[in-house]
Amino acid sequence: GENVEQHPSTLSVQEGDSAVIKCTYSDSASNYFPWYKQELGKRPQLIIDIRSNVGEKKDQRIAVTLNKTAKHFSLHITETQPEDSAVYFCAPGVGSEKLVFGKGTKLTVNP
Amino acid sequence: GAVVSQHPSWVICKSGTSVKIECRSLDFQATTMFWYRQFPKQSLMLMATSNEGSKATYEQGVEKDKFLINHASLTLSTLTVTSAHPEDSSFYICSASTGGAYGYTFGSGTRLTVV
Repeated sequence: GENVEQHPSTLSVQEGDSAVIKCTYSDSASNYFPWYKQELGKRPQLIIDIRSNVGEKKDQRIAVTLNKTAKHFSLHITETQPEDSAVYFCAPGVGSEKLVFGKGTKLTVNP
Repeated sequence: GAVVSQHPSWVICKSGTSVKIECRSLDFQATTMFWYRQFPKQSLMLMATSNEGSKATYEQGVEKDKFLINHASLTLSTLTVTSAHPEDSSFYICSASTGGAYGYTFGSGTRLTVV
């Protein structure tokens, strides 16, 4: 089965700085690479995703980069704001099959 | 967009009783639904995958006789925690897939507390 590692487990940055979270996976069949943001007590919210035929995707301050050869993908948040503070999860998967979540990264953006 | 409704949002039950959690896709047909459990400060752990009209597939270590899953229609899946114990207290979240697409929609979650 899929083995997912996510680093770092905690990340603290100053407002306006950039944050990068990396996710490594083991299943070479994985072709869907989403990132979720979860605030305390709430459901995970998809913030960006990428498919295996694309190397990078950007949506305003958020970007995801994929290296299929090395089996890792990263979340990049630029110009961080306090409201970006949350727990972020990667969850690589194969098509519409089950997602396997990483252990999460707690991001704290200090004003 | 796709909406998944989950009820109840929170429930407190006595040890030994059973609790049913419902997950409904409101504006699309969900061929596959997933049930996750999340303990405090931990990740989402997949418990089982249910496909409409067939038996659920449980992940290793999840007791199928304790966590009963029914997916009787394309819009409704239920999770019943039977003979609940305090260690079953957790946040349970469902998600639905339309199958063939890469979209997953999560329910709002159910906070179960067993006393």
